[in-house]
Amino acid sequence: DIVMTQSPDSLAVSLGERATINCKSSQSVLYSSNSKNYLAWYQLKPGQPPKLLIYWASTRESGVPDRFSGSGSGTDFTLTVSSLQAEDAAIYYCQQYYGRPITFGQGTRLEIK
Amino acid sequence: QLVESGGGLVQPGGSLRLSCAASGFTFSDYSLNWVRQAPGKGLEWISYISTIGTIYYADSVKGRFTISRDNAKNSLSLQMDSLRDEDTAVYYCARGAYGDYFSNWFGPWGQGTLVIVSS
Repeated sequence: DIVMTQSPDSLAVSLGERATINCKSSQSVLYSSNSKNYLAWYQLKPGQPPKLLIYWASTRESGVPDRFSGSGSGTDFTLTVSSLQAEDAAIYYCQQYYGRPITFGQGTRLEIK
Repeated sequence: QLVESGGGLVQPGGSLRLSCAASGFTFSDYSLNWVRQAPGKGLEWISYISTIGTIYYADSVKGRFTISRDNAKNSLSLQMDSLRDEDTAVYYCARGAYGDYFSNWFGPWGQGTLVIVSS
């Protein structure tokens, strides 16, 4: 199984500041035949279903604010929230869909400082 | 667009059947998944069914859970047998790829249904 490890486990960021969450996979999730990274990011708030933010490591889902961005390739990925808003407080998960089983990171709790 | 039902309290060793009703898209065109989140834990993918009936399970539920779909009713199901304490979780259905393709992100997700396995 591909193990996904996120860092940090939690972080507190002031409103308007940048938040950065890292995700590392135990093996590459870059598929050489199409040069795509099989990596997605989700936002989870209490009482709500997970919300897809990013897929193919850097493609923003329709309707997701452009302050959310994804980057990275191979085994190392980053989710950045460029200017934190109050509604961004949540737990964020990375997911690899390169191998079976599909696996998620352990989650990163983002709080407002 | 996805609404789960069927959760509840069940004793260890018991059974439960979850359903997921879909709307707003052509159900038969998409692969579907079940994902769960145990209390205080992260997300765990548990099962997949494609448009043509290809099925996969996580090792943690293989042999105990059965996924199925009814395209005529726009419905996804998860039959859960031999339930264990560690199956306690919120269970989500989530749409996967367009077509018969496993390697895909998930979206949208249902709101989830809570399953509690306890004596």
